[in-house]
Amino acid sequence: SQQGEEDPQALSIQEGENATMNCSYKTSINNLQWYRQNSGRGLVHLILIRSNEREKHSGRLRVTLDTSKKSSSLLITASRAADTASYFCATDSTQGGIFGTGTRLKVLA
Amino acid sequence: NAGVMQNPRHLVRRRGQEARLRCSPMKGHSHVYWYRQLPEEGLKFMVYLQKENIIDESGMPKERFSAEFPKEGPSILRIQQVVRGDSAAYFCASSPQRGRSEQYFGPGTRLTVT
Repeated sequence: SQQGEEDPQALSIQEGENATMNCSYKTSINNLQWYRQNSGRGLVHLILIRSNEREKHSGRLRVTLDTSKKSSSLLITASRAADTASYFCATDSTQGGIFGTGTRLKVLA
Repeated sequence: NAGVMQNPRHLVRRRGQEARLRCSPMKGHSHVYWYRQLPEEGLKFMVYLQKENIIDESGMPKERFSAEFPKEGPSILRIQQVVRGDSAAYFCASSPQRGRSEQYFGPGTRLTVT
């Protein structure tokens, strides 16, 4: 199975609410990255968190990393309709960064 | 600084034809990764290349698929004798170094095999 597995697979929220998605991985890592993919488009790098970091912020994004549980979470605060996309996590594993199937986020206006 | 460029953006091929997908990494990046994304699925790693070297091709089908990243010019993913199951989006990513740096993705090439 994939190194990165996102959860939930799909999430639907109202504009203004917070969205939380999770990622689990299997092997030890140096860093973990989150990406966004709008429908039919390429991936956009959002944020990178290193293995010695526990939390990182970037604008409305907050990422946490728990290396003991091999998991990460991405929180998007005050969501907007434009945040509607699929979100993937990836690690710097030997296979060039493994991606899961992503969390499909839908923000309703 | 231009981002990762891929061309063509859309490619239609008949079964049995060859498909050539090109990827120009970001300036200064010497590492290229190719991924395939089937409809409604996540990205699957195919191959990792440095200039003139294939580092890891463990995700690439053994037959009909090949990749190169020459000293000069873009990286090429080549699919010979395409079949309908090859229809997918193919993404290329580049990074300046392995391991600690993030990957920058191109917009992808959508291959449709008719």
